[in-house]
Amino acid sequence: DAGITQSPRHKVTETGTPVTLRCHQTENHRYMYWYRQDPGHGLRLIHYSYGVKDTDKGEVSDGYSVSRSKTEDFLLTLESATSSQTSVYFCATTGGDQETQYFGPGTRLLVL
Amino acid sequence: GENVEQHPSTLSVQEGDSAVIKCTYSDSASNYFPWYKQELGKRPQLIIDIRSNVGEKKDQRIAVTLNKTAKHFSLHITETQPEDSAVYFCAASKTGGFKTIFGAGTRLFVKA
Repeated sequence: DAGITQSPRHKVTETGTPVTLRCHQTENHRYMYWYRQDPGHGLRLIHYSYGVKDTDKGEVSDGYSVSRSKTEDFLLTLESATSSQTSVYFCATTGGDQETQYFGPGTRLLVL
Repeated sequence: GENVEQHPSTLSVQEGDSAVIKCTYSDSASNYFPWYKQELGKRPQLIIDIRSNVGEKKDQRIAVTLNKTAKHFSLHITETQPEDSAVYFCAASKTGGFKTIFGAGTRLFVKA
């Protein structure tokens, strides 16, 4: 599983509160991604990183921000959580070939 | 924008039958086409992939075909077994591109 962990694995929060999800990898992979998975939508890219402090937006980035201060950690922040952000969040990495994606175990987030 | 369409969204087969899942991509520059399998409650994992310089690839009971002209690629599972029951995602990416575009997924049920 490419040594990728996510924390927390489950979280329940209230609308309007900030939430930070963490992705940690031990593979020294350069590229890291955050996806959300919702029924009927597959995996949609939120943000990605192509190096330390190098990040860019994906297709569903509104309401999310990211930071990457170290190669091994990629943080996803919901500044003010909304019910539409209830989802399962997956972190992924790719190695030098930028091809195969290795996924973390996922974080199930419920915003009440 | 870039898009990958996947059909069907749900597929039910009898054990021992074959299953076929089809995808169409929009970006003609795409040259890498992976397939991921996601079991219930688990992370997506790569099961097979194909590059644009190859028309077909097999790995035991699974095979993938690619038609670059039509921008179609398909996953074929023969002699299906109950443990093949899962959600399958197709995806497309291109060399030097940071993003992988995923299809919406196909939920495969294999009835014993």
